[in-house]
Amino acid sequence: SQKIEQNSEALNIQEGKTATLTCNYTNYSPAYLQWYRQDPGRGPVFLLLIRENEKEKRKERLKVTFDTTLKQSLFHITASQPADSATYLCALEDYGQNFVFGPGTRLSVLP
Amino acid sequence: KAGVTQTPRYLIKTRGQQVTLSCSPISGHRSVSWYQQTPGQGLQFLFEYFSETQRNKGNFPGRFSGRQFSNSRSEMNVSTLELGDSALYLCASSYSPRDPRVSDTQYFGPGTRLTVL
Repeated sequence: SQKIEQNSEALNIQEGKTATLTCNYTNYSPAYLQWYRQDPGRGPVFLLLIRENEKEKRKERLKVTFDTTLKQSLFHITASQPADSATYLCALEDYGQNFVFGPGTRLSVLP
Repeated sequence: KAGVTQTPRYLIKTRGQQVTLSCSPISGHRSVSWYQQTPGQGLQFLFEYFSETQRNKGNFPGRFSGRQFSNSRSEMNVSTLELGDSALYLCASSYSPRDPRVSDTQYFGPGTRLTVL
C-alpha cells in the first residue's frame, strides 16, 4: 500500500542547533517532493520543492535532500530559532495525481 | 497578489445539518483542492476541481461534494453532518498544469474551522 511517513510526531531541539526532519514514502513515484510549514490554526505555507533529479536544494537556512533510491527526503533547518517552531509537512504529487501529505513533525526550538 | 481566501473562518453546526464552505483562489489559478485536517488523521485530500470539473477525488463519502465556478471560485458542501466532520477544512489553489515536467505548488487559505455539536 502507499504510505508517506515523517520520522517523528514531535522534535525538540536547542536554539542554534540544526533540526533534521525525515520524510519516507512507499509505493509512490513522485516527480518532486515539497516541504510546507504550518502554524497552529493556519494553512500550510510552501517552503521548498525538490525534483527527482535533484540531490539537494537550499534556501537561506533551509536545506532539503532527496534520495529516490532510499525513497526519502531530509529537511534541515540550520541555526534554528524559536520562531522556527511549527509543524513541518512533506508532500508529494504522484505523477498526475493529487497531492499527498505526510502526518507532519511538530518542531519546538527551545531558547 | 491577493492570497487564497476562505469563508467563513469559523462555523458551528449541529448533527444532521448541512454546510457550505467557500474558497476564492489566487487570481490566475485554475485548480482548487479541498482538504480536511484533524489531529488524528492529518491532512486528508477531499477533491480537486480544475476548470469547473472534478479532476481527482479522495476517499470520503458522498456527503462531501463540491463545485467550481467559471471564475475558479469553489464551494464545498457537507450534508447530514456528523460529529466526526468537525475539522479544519483547507482550500488550496494552484496553477496546476498537471505536467510532471512543471513543478506545481499549492497555496493554502487560512481554513474554515467547523465544529459539529
